[in-house]
Amino acid sequence: SQKIEQNSEALNIQEGKTATLTCNYTNYSPAYLQWYRQDPGRGPVFLLLIRENEKEKRKERLKVTFDTTLKQSLFHITASQPADSATYLCALDTGGFKTIFGAGTRLFVKA
Amino acid sequence: DARVTQTPRDKVTEMGQEVTMRCQPILGHNTVFWYRQTMMQGLELLAYFRNRAPLDDSGMPKDRFSAEMPDATLATLKIQPSEPRDSAVYFCASASPGTREPNEQFFGPGTRLTVL
Repeated sequence: SQKIEQNSEALNIQEGKTATLTCNYTNYSPAYLQWYRQDPGRGPVFLLLIRENEKEKRKERLKVTFDTTLKQSLFHITASQPADSATYLCALDTGGFKTIFGAGTRLFVKA
Repeated sequence: DARVTQTPRDKVTEMGQEVTMRCQPILGHNTVFWYRQTMMQGLELLAYFRNRAPLDDSGMPKDRFSAEMPDATLATLKIQPSEPRDSAVYFCASASPGTREPNEQFFGPGTRLTVL
């Protein structure tokens, strides 16, 4: 069956360090993979999209990699700040606009 | 400042009652999604529409849930009769091929539903 896995445990890091979050999937061949940020009590907010023919994408302090052979995406936040504390969701496009979300990883950045 | 709006923001109801949630997508967005989020299941896609036509509602319990788009500015999600297991946060999102990233979804603030 189709499955998306993200680190279920919260990630705690010190301010200034790089946070790395993992998204693994099975039985999909997504054309796109997206990362969203969700704060408590709010809806998810789109961060980055990476296509199957792209290995890496950057936006300011964010970097996403996409390895279709390993079926894995890594999401990096460099020079992390307490304001980066949130839940980060990966999402796969399964055809057209149909999107399946992972359960998310909670990130805590300590000052 | 274009955004997706949802009403009500909070709803507490008793088992067996009908619940209607409303969503106004961003003007010009032609794709609308309904999601449900719980601690146990995460964010689940219930249904989605393009140009007001339902494309996929396979994630929705058909016997009690229904989703419609009476017009391009309004999407509704109804539960009748509601059950305690329907307690969750329901999100609406909209998207448009014209945005800078074609699959970027804009989420509303959600409706927190509690069924007693």
